[in-house]
Parts: sequence; structure tokens; C-alpha cells
Amino acid sequence: IVLTQSPATLSVPPGERATLSCRASQSISRDLAWYQQRPGQAPRLLIYEASIRAAGVPARFSGSGSGTDFTLIISSLQSEDVAVYYCQQSNNWWTFGQGTKVELK
Amino acid sequence: EVRLVESGGGLVQPGGSLRLSCAGSGFIFSDYEMTWVRQAPGKGLEWVSYINDDGFTIYYNDSVKARFTISRDNVKKSLYLQMTHLRVEDTAIYYCARGSMALDLWGQGTMVTVSS
Repeated sequence: IVLTQSPATLSVPPGERATLSCRASQSISRDLAWYQQRPGQAPRLLIYEASIRAAGVPARFSGSGSGTDFTLIISSLQSEDVAVYYCQQSNNWWTFGQGTKVELK
Repeated sequence: EVRLVESGGGLVQPGGSLRLSCAGSGFIFSDYEMTWVRQAPGKGLEWVSYINDDGFTIYYNDSVKARFTISRDNVKKSLYLQMTHLRVEDTAIYYCARGSMALDLWGQGTMVTVSS
């Protein structure tokens, strides 16, 4: 299963909304997770089962979708949210998307 | 503190071998599935291998099948990745992570460089 993330880079002013997309090449139900990787750090789980926030993740992060189309929304972008965001499916083996880089505008 | 700590990375020539270790602490290691993920320099994440909690169910990415071996020792609370016949394209940071569907705990990674 191929995961395609868009856009490749997203520039958003501080306090504004960031919308990231992840599309699967075939239906994966809700078997999708989102990860944040800040520069020089290991990835961190944000969302699992498409919409469940992991422990300690701020409420400004939300996930939605099912089947082939998924979205991660950061409702009010903060400086600490500058990172690359990856989606990952676990429905059929495991694959990651290529990532979306989020930067401050 | 709940953590994973990888070790064993380094510089190796093409065709060589290396064994990575991942030590878990602060949680009941034997209760969890474990996963290896790698990241080539400047690239995205790639799933490498999976092992279930008792070590009897194992999966590999086709890119490493027959060259890499995942294992675990629940008494020592450790996960391993034996890598043989290494290729230049195996150069990456190797992360161990807890879980399978949702990787909720990651180590800091260990760098493996395959070069002559």
C-alpha cells in the first residue's frame, strides 16, 4: 500500500490552521497513525486509529478520515510544531508516507 | 522513566555485519510488540522489521529479508537486529519502537554507515 502525503511543504503563519493530507492507494479502514519528527529528533506518535490523540498530545492536533483519505489538522500553529509529519498505515504490512514539512510563514 | 535506548551502530564495509541492540526500561517489555524503523540521511521513514511479544511472529520488509534477523530477550528487556550482507543503501539511522499499529515509544536511534 502506497501512502501519498500532500503538500510536500506547508508554510503557515503562527496561530493559523495547518491541514495535511494522506491518501492511501487502497482502503486501509482506519488503520492510520500520524507522527511528528522535529529536526534532529526521533519521531513521536501524535494520532492513531485515524483520530485518537496519543497521550500528552495537545488538543490542537486532530485527525480524521477513513478508507483512503485522511487529514491531520493543527488548529493554531505554534513554533514548536515546526517539523516533518508522517502518516503510517498498518492495515497491510506497514508503510509510511513521504512526509509533509511544516514551517512558519 | 519509560525509554528505549539503541546501541551498536557504526561504520562497516559493504558485505559486512552489525548487530543492533535496543534496551527497554520503565515498562513491562515482554507485554509489547516491537518494531525497527530506519531513516536514510535526509529521507523519510522506512519500516524494517516486526516481532510480537513472545518472539514467535516475525515480519521483514522485502528490502532486508534474508539479510536481517530480528530477535528479542524478554529477560534482558532487549530487542536486537542482526544485519548481514550490508549494502550501501542500508546506511541510515535505525530506530527501535514499541508497538506495531501505533509506535508509541521510540529510541533516539543509532547510525549505521555502510561504506568502503
